[in-house]
Amino acid sequence: EPEVTQTPSHQVTQMGQEVILRCVPISNHLYFYWYRQILGQKVEFLVSFYNNEISEKSEIFDDQFSVERPDGSNFTLKIRSTKLEDSAMYFCASSRGVNRPTETQYFGPGTRLLVL
Amino acid sequence: GNSVTQMEGPVTLSEEAFLTINCTYTATGYPSLFWYVQYPGEGLQLLLKATKADDKGSNKGFEATYRKETTSFHLEKGSVQVSDSAVYFCACVTGANSKLTFGKGITLSVRP
Repeated sequence: EPEVTQTPSHQVTQMGQEVILRCVPISNHLYFYWYRQILGQKVEFLVSFYNNEISEKSEIFDDQFSVERPDGSNFTLKIRSTKLEDSAMYFCASSRGVNRPTETQYFGPGTRLLVL
Repeated sequence: GNSVTQMEGPVTLSEEAFLTINCTYTATGYPSLFWYVQYPGEGLQLLLKATKADDKGSNKGFEATYRKETTSFHLEKGSVQVSDSAVYFCACVTGANSKLTFGKGITLSVRP
């Protein structure tokens, strides 16, 4: 069964450094998402992406964040200058884009980011 | 905006016990409701969903009924197994952009 993959599984970085988290969505899906979960807190929506544009973003998704689909398979989340509070598990998800909002979003295993 | 509240955890049960995990929601419009499960070391997987009032979602012996009158979507299973040990998330979505709003998640541990 097709699945969403994410790399790396873990990333440790110094405060102020840039990080890029990578995702490969399911190949025939059209909508892509990033969520994050700070330890002990809820899974929070960051951004959705469709047709090479941001479809919706949360207030968390400020100028330090950007997303990109650099080729036909990858979907990336960049944090320009990491802060301690960016430490979290970041989940990528994708959906077919046929029957929103009831359709299933398929999640990757997550990237655990630790900012020191 | 939408919000989802789950009962506090963790929950520890013996194998074959009955499971209920409470979930209530606040949403504008008519949300779709989901239960996701996260097994150790894995991503979030859809367990079941319901898209309109009185719908019952079911999968792997788990069930949840969309109750509009009580704004609830409680997860139940008649007889849990050790393999059901995981974190369970309730979520809802409304509107065209499909932003999922999650509850905090609850850890279920099932002992033999």
